[in-house]
Amino acid sequence: QVQLQESGPGLVKPSETLSLTCTVSGGSISIYYWNWIRQPPGKGLEWIGYIYNSGSTDYNPSLKSRVTISLDTSKNQFSLKLTSVTAADTAIYYCARLPPAYGYGAMDVWGKGTTVTVSS
Amino acid sequence: QSALTQPASVSGSPGQSITISCTGTSSDVGSYNFVSWYQQHPGKAPKLMIYEGSKRPSGVSNRFSGSKSGNTASLTISGLQAEDEADFYCCSYAGISGIVFGTGTKVTVL
Repeated sequence: QVQLQESGPGLVKPSETLSLTCTVSGGSISIYYWNWIRQPPGKGLEWIGYIYNSGSTDYNPSLKSRVTISLDTSKNQFSLKLTSVTAADTAIYYCARLPPAYGYGAMDVWGKGTTVTVSS
Repeated sequence: QSALTQPASVSGSPGQSITISCTGTSSDVGSYNFVSWYQQHPGKAPKLMIYEGSKRPSGVSNRFSGSKSGNTASLTISGLQAEDEADFYCCSYAGISGIVFGTGTKVTVL
């Protein structure tokens, strides 16, 4: 059974860079699209972006200038970097798997999420 | 990239059927057969319930069904049960804009 686990600092200072890693266990990181999604406290879901196993990426246009998603197949991990953070970036951050066979947007396995607070 | 529009809340009694709408545009819901639906219980990660508009992943009850007409997708829950009380989000592929989620609907079982 594939499992995803997010990890990274729970507190980031304004203007700094948020860095998170998602570790994939119980399965291969190949073939799939690997996503980051976030959810501000009490609000809805927002797609941040994804990376395919080829290394190609796609990002939410509203975040594109600040986001980088990368893949480390040797460690079965993928990562998120979000620069110049503000309080508006405070959220639960989820990583999720998207199988091409399910069509774009259908994420079938999710991590439990990690809370990131932006505050000085 | 604007969020898809969902009603803030929908409620029903046990055993009843309810339908949640998800309205997008011709750039997302209306152009692609890639609408998915997620159920999220408080404090938990979302769970995929429907993909490609009407398909159910293995293990999801057949009480959940999806459809689409034009720029609007719908999720119907039949035989409503107490365990169905949760937040539901639609999601659509949006071409060059990537992936967009709906605003979310709180389902209450009366």
